[in-house]
Amino acid sequence: QVQLVQSGSELKKPGASVKVSCKASGYTFTSYAMNWVRQAPGQGLEWMGWINTNTGNPTYAQGFTGRFVFSLDTSVSTAYLQISSLKAEDTAVYYCARPGYSSSWNWFDPWGQGTLVTVSS
Amino acid sequence: AIWMTQSPSLLSASTGDRVTISCRMSQGISSYLAWYQQKPGKAPELLIYAASTLQSGVPSRFSGSGSGTDFTLTISCLQSEDFATYYCQQYYSFPPTFGQGTKLEIK
Repeated sequence: QVQLVQSGSELKKPGASVKVSCKASGYTFTSYAMNWVRQAPGQGLEWMGWINTNTGNPTYAQGFTGRFVFSLDTSVSTAYLQISSLKAEDTAVYYCARPGYSSSWNWFDPWGQGTLVTVSS
Repeated sequence: AIWMTQSPSLLSASTGDRVTISCRMSQGISSYLAWYQQKPGKAPELLIYAASTLQSGVPSRFSGSGSGTDFTLTISCLQSEDFATYYCQQYYSFPPTFGQGTKLEIK
């Protein structure tokens, strides 16, 4: 079945970097884009952007430019989210999510299980 | 960006009740709307897309309606496993945006 499996929780100090992985299985990785969504503690869902899995070209939502980088390793069907210069306000669960049909973004299904990134000194 | 107003933010109900959750858009989005269910500590799960199309495997007690600016998620007969938080999401225009969420709790 179609599945997205993310890497485990991370605890980082302010100023450090983190890289979250999202491994896809059950479908052709390059046939669908990959999206990223953030959920701060006790808050709602915020779309961060998407990456074209054919070209590697990323698109970032406002507020997610500069310190946030989407990347791919198509040889292992994996998408990555890297966040640099971490701040306390980056503490959140980060989800990868596949669009429902072969496009940049539409509805999202499935979702990865989420990766909690905690930024604390 | 399209603004979304989801209401209510908190809904108290009992098993067997029929409940509705509303999502109102700042501009028309045709039927480019999805609904998700999220349980504590879990990822969101797709319930409905294209405003009214039930995702495979989702129980038929869930239904969606609306087009343009006003949309509704209805749960016809609440089961214990339905107590969760629900989000609407528009994918009509960039950036895709989510409603603020509705927490459905046991009365």
